[in-house]
Amino acid sequence: KAGVTQTPRYLIKTRGQQVTLSCSPISGHRSVSWYQQTPGQGLQFLFEYFSETQRNKGNFPGRFSGRQFSNSRSEMNVSTLELGDSALYLCASSTGENTIYFGEGSWLTVV
Amino acid sequence: QKEVEQDPGPLSVPEGAIVSLNCTYSNSAFQYFMWYRQYSRKGPELLMYTYSSGNKEDGRFTAQVDKSSKYISLFIRDSQPSDSATYLCAMRENSGYSTLTFGKGTMLLVSP
Repeated sequence: KAGVTQTPRYLIKTRGQQVTLSCSPISGHRSVSWYQQTPGQGLQFLFEYFSETQRNKGNFPGRFSGRQFSNSRSEMNVSTLELGDSALYLCASSTGENTIYFGEGSWLTVV
Repeated sequence: QKEVEQDPGPLSVPEGAIVSLNCTYSNSAFQYFMWYRQYSRKGPELLMYTYSSGNKEDGRFTAQVDKSSKYISLFIRDSQPSDSATYLCAMRENSGYSTLTFGKGTMLLVSP
């Protein structure tokens, strides 16, 4: 059974640019959530989508947004990148009720 | 006070030792408790999943939850060098959402 797939794995962007990250959840999982991981703050919840609807959102500025498609695949977008946005962005999938599985993440470096 | 507190370590032990990793939390609404293992530059891997208080065992791993003390533990028996990683505790409320609150992780180093 395939796991959570995230693309791209590594990317470098310049301040002010925007970035889109993609996540394909485990087959049959309708919930996709996104987390940001940094050495200083650890893993912090960004938002969760279930059946194409955002049902929870963390404490991040509006520059961070996401969406989910009818096939449960999800994208997150960060606009007007700042140096502090450099982080590992992790996608997690679940059935919506129980165990939550993570992908390998997308490493974003903002220069 | 952070919602979930976890000693960052590093915790260094010799191969074969019993390892104890712990987290404390402040939110009494947390009902589901998880332990993840994260190797360097990899995503978190789910190790243990526990609902409410009690113990759960899976191979060399035992998870304990004490909701009265707001304290959870992960024990690793017969530790191996391959167990060297960062261990993250995570928890969520019984709300049906998949929103996890994490500790910052404990780095474990098992020497041969």
